[in-house]
Formats: sequence, structure tokens, C-alpha cells
Amino acid sequence: DAKTTQPNSMESNEEEPVHLPCNHSTISGTDYIHWYRQLPSQGPEYVIHGLTSNVNNRMASLAIAEDRKSSTLILHRATLRDAAVYYCILRENDYKLSFGAGTTVTVRA
Amino acid sequence: NAGVTQTPKFQVLKTGQSMTLQCAQDMNHNSMYWYRQDPGMGLRLIYYSASEGTTDKGEVPNGYNVSRLNKREFSLRLESAAPSQTSVYFCASTPGLADTDTQYFGPGTRLTVL
Repeated sequence: DAKTTQPNSMESNEEEPVHLPCNHSTISGTDYIHWYRQLPSQGPEYVIHGLTSNVNNRMASLAIAEDRKSSTLILHRATLRDAAVYYCILRENDYKLSFGAGTTVTVRA
Repeated sequence: NAGVTQTPKFQVLKTGQSMTLQCAQDMNHNSMYWYRQDPGMGLRLIYYSASEGTTDKGEVPNGYNVSRLNKREFSLRLESAAPSQTSVYFCASTPGLADTDTQYFGPGTRLTVL
């Protein structure tokens, strides 16, 4: 199974950008890279996904390395509401989301 | 739209008791899932239902049963609860099983087994 590696935690100041790295060196050519986040005491929520090209939506941007062995989730201006656990997940040609421990993001006011 | 709803929100059981966790979605999704999340860990898949009338085991199915009652509802049953089943349980749904399908999660049921 393709796995991901993320830092345990990151801190940011409010209104500053946050760059969350994810390594997935064993990714296969057809695996999509998904990001979900989990706010305190809530269920996970979808953030963004991509395959090869960089992607943007209203929540974040996803930058994917040319060799696809790593990616970075970018929160352009962190707010206190962005404090959460962020999960980088590979979709392995099936239904399953395999959650690791994720990165806990703390935002300082 | 309410999205994915779960009942109850909290439950305390004694070892050996049984209970059913309820999940419903109003997004006309075909696929539904049950996950558990232990403290400080990511989610693990218990069972899933690709479509109405089908169910399949996930990563940690032992001690659980499921029923896909109709397209909207997917229940999880603990026949004889054990302390190891103390966890937060999340239900989720997706339009189908495509790699790009977004999973929509409910708010969770916090279960304690004494």
C-alpha cells in the first residue's frame, strides 16, 4: 500500500500562510492525492485533491511535485478556524481512505 | 440538506450490552461507510456499503455487524460491547466508489464501554 509521511505538528500565526508537506515516495501513477482536515470534536471534511497538476479551490491550494513523490497543502491566510488535524491520503484505485496520524496545525492569534 | 446525520451523539454501555448506531444521509449517495477513531489516531474503516443491498468488511470488522436498510440509512451494531470498542464512530457517504469522490462525514458518536 502506498503510504504518506507528514510532520506531527506545525504552528502558524494568524493571517500568515501555512505550508503542510506530505511525502508519498511509493505513490503509483494512478493514485490521487487527497487532503482532509478534522476540526476539534468534528468529523473529517474534504479540503482538496489532485493527480498531477497543482490545484486551487476556495479553501486551499495543492502543489504536487513533478515526480509526484511529495505534495504541499497551502493555506494562504490561516485563521483560528483553520486549527485542525490535516490528513494527506492516497486513493489507491478503490473506495478506501486510509488515515494516518496527520499534522496538527495550531494557529496563534 | 442535513448531509450525514448520526444518532446518538454520546453513549455509555456496560461490557456485554448491545446497541445500534444509526446513520442517515440525504444526498442520494450510493456508498456509505463506518469508521472508528481511537484517541490520537486516524480513522480506521470498519465496514462499507458500495450500494444498497451490499456490505463488505473493512480494516477492523471484528465485533461489529452492519445493515444497509435502504439507500439513505446504514446502521452499525455492537452485539456484545467490549471496552476495546470505546471509540468515536464516524459514518460517511460518497456518490460512488470513484477515486475522486469526496467522502462526507457525520459528526460522530462517542461511545464508552465500561
